[in-house]
Amino acid sequence: DGGITQSPKYLFRKEGQNVTLSCEQNLNHDAMYWYRQDPGQGLRLIYYSQIVNDFQKGDIAEGYSVSREKKESFPLTVTSAQKNPTAFYLCASSPTGQGREKLFFGSGTQLSVL
Amino acid sequence: AQSVTQLDSQVPVFEEAPVELRCNYSSSVSVYLFWYVQYPNQGLQLLLKYLSGSTLVKGINGFEAEFNKSQTSFHLRKPSVHISDTAEYFCAVSETDSSYKLIFGSGTRLLVRP
Repeated sequence: DGGITQSPKYLFRKEGQNVTLSCEQNLNHDAMYWYRQDPGQGLRLIYYSQIVNDFQKGDIAEGYSVSREKKESFPLTVTSAQKNPTAFYLCASSPTGQGREKLFFGSGTQLSVL
Repeated sequence: AQSVTQLDSQVPVFEEAPVELRCNYSSSVSVYLFWYVQYPNQGLQLLLKYLSGSTLVKGINGFEAEFNKSQTSFHLRKPSVHISDTAEYFCAVSETDSSYKLIFGSGTRLLVRP
C-alpha cells in the first residue's frame, strides 16, 4: 500500500542533543512537508520541499534542519538550538501540479525532552 | 497574510444529533479551503475540500461544508453524528497560487456522547 511512514513513533531527547525524525513516502510525490503540532495551536509549518535537493523554510524553521537527497525521504533534525522541542511532528506529501492541494499525512512522531 | 479561526475548541454533542463546526478565514486573495480530521495519535485525513464551483461541498463520512465568500466562512456540518466521529477537526486554507503552503486553524475537538 502506498503511504507515508514516520519513525519512530515516540522519541526522547536529552538536553543539548540533536535528534532526527524519519519520513519516507512511496506515493511518488514531489512535495514534502514537516509540521509541528502543539495542543490548542493547530499545525505550524516548519520546512517544505517541492523537489529533490531543494527546500524552503516555513513559519517556524528556527532550531530545525532538513535534507532532501532522495524523492522518497525528507528527514527532520531537531537541533539543540530548539529550546522547546516537545511536540507532535507530522510529515506530509503531495503531488505538484494537478492535485497539489491535497496533503497526505504520516501518523506522526511524539518528541519529548528528558 | 492568511489566517484561519476556529472559535470552538471543543464541541460536545449527543449521538445522532446534528453538529456544526465553525471556521472563518481571512485572505486578500482567492483561496482553497479544507477540512481535515485527526483521530488520537494519528496523522490528518482529508474530509473535504473547496477549490471552485458549487459552494456546497460533500465529503467522506457524511460530512459537508458550505463556502460563504461574503462571510469568509467554511463551516462543517453533519446531520447525525456517531460515536466514531469523536476526533479533532482542522480547517485549513491555502492561496490558489500558493507555493503549496497550508495554513491550519487551531482545531475543534468533537466529543460525541451516547
